[in-house]
This record gives sequence, structure tokens and C-alpha cells, in this order.
Amino acid sequence: KNEVEQSPQNLTAQEGEFITINCSYSVGISALHWLQQHPGGGIVSLFMLSSGKKKHGRLIATINIQEKHSSLHITASHPRDSAVYICAVGGGQNFVFGPGTRLSVLP
Amino acid sequence: NAGVTQTPKFRILKIGQSMTLQCTQDMNHNYMYWYRQDPGMGLKLIYYSVGAGITDKGEVPNGYNVSRSTTEDFPLRLELAAPSQTSVYFCASSYRQGSDGYTFGSGTRLTVV
Repeated sequence: KNEVEQSPQNLTAQEGEFITINCSYSVGISALHWLQQHPGGGIVSLFMLSSGKKKHGRLIATINIQEKHSSLHITASHPRDSAVYICAVGGGQNFVFGPGTRLSVLP
Repeated sequence: NAGVTQTPKFRILKIGQSMTLQCTQDMNHNYMYWYRQDPGMGLKLIYYSVGAGITDKGEVPNGYNVSRSTTEDFPLRLELAAPSQTSVYFCASSYRQGSDGYTFGSGTRLTVV
């Protein structure tokens, strides 16, 4: 079993839809990161979570430490949200990265 | 503010050749990292540094070397390129360990033939 799993692997949505991407992990962690990788390859850090919930614009990230699960939600999705979303879990330098969820938002 | 700058963006190497991937950051970050990303796989940590003069191995260090002579620069050296090192390489930095945000470079796509 992989240490970090993401679901779905691929997701296609219509513009305006509410999107949820899930991350489950099997190791103890002190932090979880959500990253966005653009179609051109660049990677942007979206959130770092150690508990609870964070919101930035249309993006909301939640984490349940007991369930070892995190979700990334996108409200009112837009084609510019099309990217690969990566979950990374761990602490210090020891972060394990998930394989990513490829999101395509169609106009 | 340039952030993290990686060069080159693309490179093709022949087996056995050597090269250095350059990484520079202008944010005065203490922590710097090198990752590789293989198709369909998560990023893997190659080496990291917690400050000038200090480096340590990550998950997949074999075939690579690094140095950190200044806070700004963290070059990654491949001594004897092998096809298994074909990958996309990302340099990243952060102010604190596991801090809120990592800043990533734009990546180097390396092909070894």
C-alpha cells in the first residue's frame, strides 16, 4: 500500500462545478501540503495544514488527523483551475508526495 | 523578486556524461531541496540543505552530489549520467522547516540517451 494515495487520479468537470480531491495517508505526520502543478510544469504551494481547515479564495483544504485524510475543495471551478493537484505528507525534510490528481475544467 | 531560478530548462545527455543543474534563490531561505519527478510518480527527495555548508541525503541520492557554499545557491551534480536519471528535476526552498510555503523552481527536463 502506498504511503500517500490520492483520488480520483483524473477528474473532468464543467466550469462552475464544486470539486473535491482526496488524500489519504498511512504514516504519522506533523504537516500536510497541497501543491498545484500547472500544465507547463511549474509547482505552486497552496496550503500547509496540521489541523482543521484553511481557506484561500475559492480553495478550501481540510484535514482529519484521526482519519488520516485530507480534502481539497474548489468552489465555482474555472478552466484556469486545470492542473495537477499534489498532496504531500510528513514533517521536517521527510515529506512523501502523492502521485497527484489531474483536474480538467471545461468551459 | 525572482524566487527560485533553475537552469537549464531542458537538457539531453549521453550516457556517462556529467552536468550540473543550477538552482538559485533570492529569498534568503535557509532550506533548499532537490526533487525528481518521474511520470505518474510523486516527487522524490534527492538531497536537501538546511543552510550554507550543510547538506544531507534524501530518499534517492545515488548518482547525485550537491554543495551549498552560499545561502543562495544549491547546485545538483550528475557525475556519470544513466538512463535511469531521465526525469524532471525541481529545486525548492523554504524559510523554515516544513513551513507554510515551499517555493519551487520551474523545473529541468533531463533526458539521458
